[in-house]
Amino acid sequence: NAGVTQTPKFRVLKTGQSMTLLCAQDMNHEYMYWYRQDPGMGLRLIHYSVGEGTTAKGEVPDGYNVSRLKKQNFLLGLESAAPSQTSVYFCASSHWGNGANVLTFGAGSRLTVL
Amino acid sequence: GQQVMQIPQYQHVQEGEDFTTYCNSSTTLSNIQWYKQRPGGHPVFLIQLVKSGEVKKQKRLTFQFGEAKKNSSLHITATQTTDVGTYFCAFSGSARQLTFGSGTQLTVLP
Repeated sequence: NAGVTQTPKFRVLKTGQSMTLLCAQDMNHEYMYWYRQDPGMGLRLIHYSVGEGTTAKGEVPDGYNVSRLKKQNFLLGLESAAPSQTSVYFCASSHWGNGANVLTFGAGSRLTVL
Repeated sequence: GQQVMQIPQYQHVQEGEDFTTYCNSSTTLSNIQWYKQRPGGHPVFLIQLVKSGEVKKQKRLTFQFGEAKKNSSLHITATQTTDVGTYFCAFSGSARQLTFGSGTQLTVLP
């Protein structure tokens, strides 16, 4: 039982390049999230999904796109990377039940944009 | 939108001392969660509080939810080096989002 798996773990991009981060979960969770973490700023929600085929914007969605074609996968895309997108990206999934929405996080993907 | 303020941002303690981090909101929260992130790791769920005035304990950790459901605290008694990390509070909004505070980074000096 792997939980939440993120690939790649590390990536270096040049400004203007594109890339996709993949998140896969094997817990049959309905909800999936992408956060970015920057020093002193905690975790900020980029986009999230409440089910297959649906996505919604979070707090900092600009410059990112997402897709949830399959329930177990949530992709985060950067079409034209900028240095401001240098960050650690965390994917998470959850199941809403009994009034609780407990997130299980992946190990993170560290992205550097030069 | 709703936000939570977490204080302090950093805390250095001597091993064996107590530690407390606070989470404050200007609006009433339906629930509050706490997560711990070890250095170089990912956030891991610790606990959820939903009731006004609720207090929960996990060994040396005590979690409280304020009577007005606008603040919460995490208290660690007699810190150990294994307590090192960043502690985040978070709350769920109506849109199934989880919003995190900025975290308190705890350093425990041996």
